Amino acid sequence: DAGVTQSPTHLIKTRGQHVTLRCSPISGHKSVSWYQQVLGQGPQFIFQYYEKEERGRGNFPDRFSARQFPNYSSELNVNALLLGDSALYLCASSLQGAVSGANVLTFGAGSRLTVL
Amino acid sequence: AQKVTQAQTEISVVEKEDVTLDCVYETRDTTYYLFWYKQPPSGELVFLIRRNSFDEQNEISGRYSWNFQKSTSSFNFTITASQVVDSAVYFCALSEGAQKLVFGQGTRLTINP
Repeated sequence: DAGVTQSPTHLIKTRGQHVTLRCSPISGHKSVSWYQQVLGQGPQFIFQYYEKEERGRGNFPDRFSARQFPNYSSELNVNALLLGDSALYLCASSLQGAVSGANVLTFGAGSRLTVL
Repeated sequence: AQKVTQAQTEISVVEKEDVTLDCVYETRDTTYYLFWYKQPPSGELVFLIRRNSFDEQNEISGRYSWNFQKSTSSFNFTITASQVVDSAVYFCALSEGAQKLVFGQGTRLTINP
């Protein structure tokens, strides 16, 4: 079975540009979460979507937005890119919306964004 | 707010040695979940274990074992007879609310042949 797939795997942008990252969850999973991992640090929560609704948002500026489609795939959009947005962006899917004993996050390999 | 501290930034051992990765957490929640993830060079986070706050039983899975102590807010991870394939960055994480995980800074483990 396919795991969580993310695209693109690597991309380079310049300051001020816009980027869209895509995520396909494991088949049957209805929840998608996005995390940002800056080099040398642990992942930080950006968004969670469940059944196409935003269920949680981390401490990120409004330049960051996301959405979930009827097939449960998701997009993360970042506008007006800054150098500090350079990071590995990880998508995770889970069966349900709540982080609970029965609900484990399965992560993709990430999209590595470099902002020059 | 929740906080996870992994004080060991990097650990390097020789193959077959035992190694323990420390994790200390802070939370005001009475019900919470703790996790360990492994991140190999490929980048994806690989789930290793989940523990809920009501279950303090230690767990063993092959060469891996976990020691959960609520009294010291610790959830340590031990690899017995380490192997080169265990080399990776390991993250401890804590649930915050129902929607997200709070991760520690990670411990880079290098197993030398």
